[in-house]
Amino acid sequence: GNSVTQMEGPVTLSEEAFLTINCTYTATGYPSLFWYVQYPGEGLQLLLKATKADDKGSNKGFEATYRKETTSFHLEKGSVQVSDSAVYFCALQAHNAGNMLTFGGGTRLMVKP
Amino acid sequence: DAGVIQSPRHEVTEMGQEVTLRCKPISGHDYLFWYRQTMMRGLELLIYFNNNVPIDDSGMPEDRFSAKMPNASFSTLKIQPSEPRDSAVYFCASSGQYNSPLHFGNGTRLTVT
Repeated sequence: GNSVTQMEGPVTLSEEAFLTINCTYTATGYPSLFWYVQYPGEGLQLLLKATKADDKGSNKGFEATYRKETTSFHLEKGSVQVSDSAVYFCALQAHNAGNMLTFGGGTRLMVKP
Repeated sequence: DAGVIQSPRHEVTEMGQEVTLRCKPISGHDYLFWYRQTMMRGLELLIYFNNNVPIDDSGMPEDRFSAKMPNASFSTLKIQPSEPRDSAVYFCASSGQYNSPLHFGNGTRLTVT
């Protein structure tokens, strides 16, 4: 079946530090890949996506590249801000499963001033 | 665009009572999803609909849970009777055409005492 594995958190960084959150997946075929962000008390918001191998999704300084050879979609940001503190979810959408998303366990990011 | 609207935001009830959660998807979206989020199990897909028809309800925990979508603009998730282990945040999400991202509501935090 389809699955997504994320690094466990919390990840604690100082402001302006470099961020990497690892994500690997298992799926049949070539799924679409997503990163969602959840701020306290809110629902999940789409952060970025990539629909095919070697695509790079980017938004708000975050980026992730769809790596078919390593089945990975790691999230990166060059300089984090306190406002980036949230829980980040990696997810895949298989092309044979409607629009259903399979989520990783989430990674909590805490950025200290 | 008002986004996905869920009600109530918070629900506190006693064990054995019936609970009904409500969702209004984004207008024009063909897919509607119900997810449950807990610390122990993360995000779990309970059920999803396509054009108001339930497609996959394999994630519904047991017969105490039921979901309906009587029309394109409204869905309910009902728990009867409720139990303390049902305490969680329940999210509704909708999406448009095939392979498009999901848009989440802000969730309903359910506490069963």
